[in-house]
Amino acid sequence: GIQVEQSPPDLILQEGANSTLRCNFSDSVNNLQWFHQNPWGQLINLFYIPSGTKQNGRLSATTVATERYSLLYISSSQTTDSGVYFCAVGDTGNQFYFGTGTSLTVIP
Amino acid sequence: ETGVTQSPTHLIKTRGQQVTLRCSSQSGHNTVSWYQQALGQGPQFIFQYYREEENGRGNFPPRFSGLQFPNYSSELNVNALELDDSALYLCASSFGLLGLAGGGTDTQYFGPGTRLTVL
Repeated sequence: GIQVEQSPPDLILQEGANSTLRCNFSDSVNNLQWFHQNPWGQLINLFYIPSGTKQNGRLSATTVATERYSLLYISSSQTTDSGVYFCAVGDTGNQFYFGTGTSLTVIP
Repeated sequence: ETGVTQSPTHLIKTRGQQVTLRCSSQSGHNTVSWYQQALGQGPQFIFQYYREEENGRGNFPPRFSGLQFPNYSSELNVNALELDDSALYLCASSFGLLGLAGGGTDTQYFGPGTRLTVL
């Protein structure tokens, strides 16, 4: 299966700071999504981005499929951004693989 | 438009028992995927159901099985429970088969999960 690695594993930010989360994957994918898991376990879809760049408010994401990585940018972080961020990819074999996650803590 | 719902919220079973978890997909979605998330780890793909058939399976033994109904809701059944089956079980719904539909239509939307504890 596809290996999905995320970095950094843990991140602590002061409120208002910017950050970049990285996702590397080991093979070609045709589906890539970023999720935020809140402290109660709910996974929220942030972006569907198998290639290209998208922006949604303070969040933006870029995937360079040919180089097998994706980046999630968080600007002007808020305490509500805390939680775990997952990158997940899908292959043509109808399987879906989640990364190891980045645990983000934003302190006031 | 209703979101993805799961039941029950929490469940406690003993080793060797069987359990059934339920998921109602989001309106307009025809695909349901199931995931197991152990504490401190990322979700692991169990399988997905598309138009009532299993279509894609992760590295889980046959005692993990499922069903999808004509209204696209789904069940996950786990037989002969083991202690390591204790986890958060998540279902996600989407429109179109994961990996093939493309174009953003296979964006997944997750339910709140069922936390299973096996004693």
